[in-house]
Amino acid sequence: SQELEQSPQSLIVQEGKNLTINCTSSKTLYGLYWYKQKYGEGLIFLMMLQKGGEEKSHEKITAKLDEKKQQSSLHITASQPSHAGIYLCGADIGNYGQNFVFGPGTRLSVLP
Amino acid sequence: DAGITQSPRHKVTETGTPVTLRCHQTENHRYMYWYRQDPGHGLRLIHYSYGVKDTDKGEVSDGYSVSRSKTEDFLLTLESATSSQTSVYFCAIRKGASGGDYGYTFGSGTRLTVV
Repeated sequence: SQELEQSPQSLIVQEGKNLTINCTSSKTLYGLYWYKQKYGEGLIFLMMLQKGGEEKSHEKITAKLDEKKQQSSLHITASQPSHAGIYLCGADIGNYGQNFVFGPGTRLSVLP
Repeated sequence: DAGITQSPRHKVTETGTPVTLRCHQTENHRYMYWYRQDPGHGLRLIHYSYGVKDTDKGEVSDGYSVSRSKTEDFLLTLESATSSQTSVYFCAIRKGASGGDYGYTFGSGTRLTVV
């Protein structure tokens, strides 16, 4: 779906560096989800944001949802090789999940 | 993960054969979903269910049917598999119905190859 866009498409960073992944929508998001996926595996839920201006953190990963609820950023501090994978944002743009869409994903590589 | 399992994990089938994928949950959640994941398209919704015998189509439902005769099981059937249905299929459950930090949980996926 093109309803959610992510940038960058891919990212290669040196271990220890900080990085940010963005997810944007032209529509108001009822819920914004961040997932991580390793090749050949399922999606791992990272966090969910619902309220404008909300910010959540889990270990070294922080996600924010802007006030208009149309853009979210995922920030990783002091990246590690274990952070490598594909990061996907997903969002409810309607009710009851029938309009849950995903962004195309951002492929992150962390060089040791 | 979180009480959701998919079977089989891998399958190779021939064009024209019927295939059924199973999603099983142990947490009694009302909403269940089937997605397919393809390079260049990301994750796309095939069908979803909002209760026993209550299902509806998603974005890419052509060629697929689903059934939910029990809360815990959501089956995805390819009536006559085609090569374009080669993909990785994910099942998901939605925890909760309104408000709160309900979240979606995904299964580990089924890699289907149609030859």
